[in-house]
Amino acid sequence: RKEVEQDPGPFNVPEGATVAFNCTYSNSASQSFFWYRQDCRKEPKLLMSVYSSGNEDGRFTAQLNRASQYISLLIRDSKLSDSATYLCVVKTSGNTPLVFGKGTRLSVIA
Amino acid sequence: GAGVSQSPSNKVTEKGKDVELRCDPISGHTALYWYRQSLGQGLEFLIYFQGNSAPDKSGLPSDRFSAERTGGSVSTLTIQRTQQEDSAVYLCASSLDGYGYTFGSGTRLTVV
Repeated sequence: RKEVEQDPGPFNVPEGATVAFNCTYSNSASQSFFWYRQDCRKEPKLLMSVYSSGNEDGRFTAQLNRASQYISLLIRDSKLSDSATYLCVVKTSGNTPLVFGKGTRLSVIA
Repeated sequence: GAGVSQSPSNKVTEKGKDVELRCDPISGHTALYWYRQSLGQGLEFLIYFQGNSAPDKSGLPSDRFSAERTGGSVSTLTIQRTQQEDSAVYLCASSLDGYGYTFGSGTRLTVV
């Protein structure tokens, strides 16, 4: 079983739609959680951290369910510029490297 | 510099040749990570450095791969006797605290 699993998509949604991505992780010792965004042929960039209480950054909302080992990302009012691959990322302790999922591809269509 | 710098940005090499990939991290970032990303795949961890030491080499796929870091700064990833399956984008990231990573734009390696 892969350490971080995501639906690869693609998710094709119209502008203005709300879309949600899910991710599951297998290592119960995981302590830190993130969503990264990767544009085509570019490097990944941090989108947001994910906190146990859930957190919001503008149109983006992240949720964590430790009991189910499940992370979600909700994007409201999708923009064309949101088209990218969204990577679910987990980390155990401070000195361990980030573990990346394969990503979910989103295409927002005009 | 302001960001993580990697060179070369593109490298085409013949099967069997050795290649060296360079990463120049953000000044002051003590942690440095190498990943690779094959076409359509996720990021695969290779090795990380804390200062000049490499506490975790578990991701290096074979003994043809090695990496070093000198002066707590620049790192070099070397692949000896390259094979076609080594073709990928090699990404370097640096971090101050081990949590927030800044990636370079990568080296796209093609082995022909």
